[in-house]
Amino acid sequence: DAGVIQSPRHEVTEMGQEVTLRCKPISGHNSLFWYRQTMMRGLELLIYFNNNVPIDDSGMPEDRFSAKMPNASFSTLKIQPSEPRDSAVYFCASSASGGGAYEQYFGPGTRLTVT
Amino acid sequence: AQKVTQAQTEISVVEKEDVTLDCVYETRDTTYYLFWYKQPPSGELVFLIRRNSFDEQNEISGRYSWNFQKSTSSFNFTITASQVVDSAVYFCALSEATGGFKTIFGAGTRLFVKA
Repeated sequence: DAGVIQSPRHEVTEMGQEVTLRCKPISGHNSLFWYRQTMMRGLELLIYFNNNVPIDDSGMPEDRFSAKMPNASFSTLKIQPSEPRDSAVYFCASSASGGGAYEQYFGPGTRLTVT
Repeated sequence: AQKVTQAQTEISVVEKEDVTLDCVYETRDTTYYLFWYKQPPSGELVFLIRRNSFDEQNEISGRYSWNFQKSTSSFNFTITASQVVDSAVYFCALSEATGGFKTIFGAGTRLFVKA
C-alpha cells in the first residue's frame, strides 16, 4: 500500500515567491496533519484536518501560510510570499481517525530552502 | 497546557548496550494519548507505539519496551541490546482530549549507537 505522498521532495525558491507543497494521505485516512521541522523549533504542528475540515490552525505562523483540503485525497500548504525563515522540512501525516488520538503516518517531507 | 520534555538531547552508546530514553509529560486532562516515533537518518518519522491514559501496562516488542507511569508522568522507552540500526532521533508525543487531540512533540533525543 502506498504511504503518504508528498511533492516536491525538495524546493528551492527566492524570497517573495509563492510556494505550494502537496500531500496525498493514505487512502481511507480521515485526518491529515501538516508539520514543520527546524533545528531551532523542532517539530511543530501547523494545522490539521478531520474529514477535510480544518480543526486547529493555531500553529500556522502567519497569514502568509494557508492550507486547503479540497477532498479526502489531497491537501496543499501554500506560503505566499515566502521568506528565508520559512526554510525547513515540511511533513504531511495522516491517521485513520480521531485527529491526534491515533498514530500518524508521515510522508517523506519536503525540504524547502528560501534564499 | 500540554507539554512534553525529553531532557536527553543526545545519547551515545556502544552496540549491545541497553539504553533508556526519558519522556516526561504535562497535561491536565484525564484522557490523553502518548506516542513514540523514530526518525532515522533518512528523515521520515516512523510510528513505534501508542498508549492511552487508562492503560498503564508496560509493553515489550522485541528489543523495545515502554514503561508508562502516571504517578511520575513519564513514558520511558528502553532499547535492549542496541544495534547500529537503532541510531536515530526518537520523539515522544502527547495528544490530549481538551486540545482536540492536537499533537505536541518533544524536542527529541538523538541516539548514536557505535559498533
